[in-house]
Amino acid sequence: EVQLVESGGGLVQPGRSLRLSCAASGFTFDDYAMHWVRQAPGKGLEWVSGIGRSSAGLGYADSVKGRFTISRDNAKNSVYLQMNSLRAEDTALYHCAKGFGSFDFWGRGTLVTVSS
Amino acid sequence: EIVLTQSPGTLSLSPGERATLSCRASQSVSSSYLAWYQQKPGQAPRLLIYGASSRATGIPDRFSGSGSGTDFTLTVSRLEPEDFAVYYCQQCGTSPYTFGQGTKLEIK
Repeated sequence: EVQLVESGGGLVQPGRSLRLSCAASGFTFDDYAMHWVRQAPGKGLEWVSGIGRSSAGLGYADSVKGRFTISRDNAKNSVYLQMNSLRAEDTALYHCAKGFGSFDFWGRGTLVTVSS
Repeated sequence: EIVLTQSPGTLSLSPGERATLSCRASQSVSSSYLAWYQQKPGQAPRLLIYGASSRATGIPDRFSGSGSGTDFTLTVSRLEPEDFAVYYCQQCGTSPYTFGQGTKLEIK
């Protein structure tokens, strides 16, 4: 059974940092690109960043470029999102998802709240 | 950045009716990289259609996708009660990958 389990979310003050993790199981992790997609409360989906099978970057949304960094560890079947200089507008449920060309499985997400 | 505009914003229909959802791109999108997702409240999105017209695993054949270039369509031939949800189109051919703003399909 495919599973993607996100962790690391929480309440953080503006300007601070947070690192999200996504643990994958049930598929050959290094065969797939991985992505982070966020959803602000009551809003739509926003692609944040993606990373290829061998850690080649697939880019960042303009809204997070220069502040967020995606990485993966194929030995640990995990993908990460380092989030620096957090802003109130980064408040969202952060999902990881797998796939290239489309995202065929999504995790349930981890909630990040940026507030003083 | 490729902007995807979905219409209508909300679609009110009854079970058994046909639903037609539109996704228009600000520039041409390769059909190979146009997908549709369904999201129900409190759930993660679910892939319905990839490559503009291919159904994902386990998706009923009442869901179909079509289109090319800048105009894409998701059709639900006969609505079932479980189909009422929010639908998003997405392009992942050009970074940054982008989603449409969503169409809410609600029960009339």
